[in-house]
Amino acid sequence: NAGVMQNPRHLVRRRGQEARLRCSPMKGHSHVYWYRQLPEEGLKFMVYLQKENIIDESGMPKERFSAEFPKEGPSILRIQQVVRGDSAAYFCASSPLGPTGETGTEAFFGQGTRLTVV
Amino acid sequence: TQLLEQSPQFLSIQEGENLTVYCNSSSVFSSLQWYRQEPGEGPVLLVTVVTGGEVKKLKRLTFQFGDARKDSSLHITAAQTGDTGLYLCAVMDSNYQLIWGAGTKLIIKP
Repeated sequence: NAGVMQNPRHLVRRRGQEARLRCSPMKGHSHVYWYRQLPEEGLKFMVYLQKENIIDESGMPKERFSAEFPKEGPSILRIQQVVRGDSAAYFCASSPLGPTGETGTEAFFGQGTRLTVV
Repeated sequence: TQLLEQSPQFLSIQEGENLTVYCNSSSVFSSLQWYRQEPGEGPVLLVTVVTGGEVKKLKRLTFQFGDARKDSSLHITAAQTGDTGLYLCAVMDSNYQLIWGAGTKLIIKP
């Protein structure tokens, strides 16, 4: 069972371009979380999604940032018109089914995408 | 105030020494996880503790969940340089949101 897969591992974008970060959760996991981390800082929650639904996006900037988790395919975190301040490591985590699953309290992380805006 | 308080924030010790780090709260949790994050990598789940008073061992790491399920500790015996990293405790709330402690940054010197 492959772990959480994120790609690309490193992404360089010029200011004003779009960045698309992909996250394939572990097989059978229907909950996806996105976090952002600056050097020497903790993980900052951005958004929590279940298949085809955004459950909580309270950590997402109101503009330029969007996330989706379609019925088929990976979850995508999209940053439009990137600025230098968007440079960070973006981590995705997945967890298994919640209320009806045997376990729902563990989250497994991908290796992250390091975004550099130049 | 943070829901999960981790202490110490920073710890630097010599290889071979023992250490304990703590994760405390005034709230009761159904389970609690410990993660380790190394520079440039994502957090790696080490253990989940579920039962009050539970003790789990992972090689030289011993995890304990408090009897009241409000706190947890991680004890490392004979620390090695490979134990260096950021140790995070986390719980999942009723909305399936992960709540994190601020972490203990551990450095093991050779």
